[in-house]
Amino acid sequence: GAVVSQHPSRVICKSGTSVKIECRSLDFQATTMFWYRQFPKQSLMLMATSNEGSKATYEQGVEKDKFLINHASLTLSTLTVTSAHPEDSSFYICSARDTAYSGNTIYFGEGSWLTVV
Amino acid sequence: AQSVAQPEDQVNVAEGNPLTVKCTYSVSGNPYLFWYVQYPNRGLQFLLKYITGDNLVKGSYGFEAEFNKSQTSFHLKKPSALVSDSALYFCAVRDGSDYKLSFGAGTTVTVRA
Repeated sequence: GAVVSQHPSRVICKSGTSVKIECRSLDFQATTMFWYRQFPKQSLMLMATSNEGSKATYEQGVEKDKFLINHASLTLSTLTVTSAHPEDSSFYICSARDTAYSGNTIYFGEGSWLTVV
Repeated sequence: AQSVAQPEDQVNVAEGNPLTVKCTYSVSGNPYLFWYVQYPNRGLQFLLKYITGDNLVKGSYGFEAEFNKSQTSFHLKKPSALVSDSALYFCAVRDGSDYKLSFGAGTTVTVRA
């Protein structure tokens, strides 16, 4: 089946620094990827839609200057949390749609735990 | 607007007994419905989907779900639960116009031996 890889799986950073999380579709091309945030034992909150070769579309209430998204190729999207604060600590999950396959399934990465200290 | 409701935070069943996880949805167009499972500290694994066709959908690991348009429901079922089915289950919906998924709050399933 389709595989989506996220890296790193866990990262700890200091307040005020920036951290980048990568999302890769390993065996398919994805013109569209999605970034979610999940708090412990809660549902997924869509942050933004990442579009290859164009600007990301952010959901209401999500700061685009804080959560920078870049989708430079058909297999890679990155989320950069800038000037991180402890309240940014969360589980971030990406998902991707197989562009070539019209089966409508969205595949998810394994997630990345961010802890800001 | 689209939304999903999972009315039960937790479902507890004994191993070997039937398992049902409830989901109702609201969508303006034709619903595309999905079930995902999440194990602790992991991403989401796809279980099954309903797009069109037969209302009974069979998926991975022996799970199935029945699409009921009149009740706007898409309940997940497994005839005989296993301890390894203990996890967090999410129902999700999107309409046909884009690929944004709306998730339910999730239901924690605990299967006791």
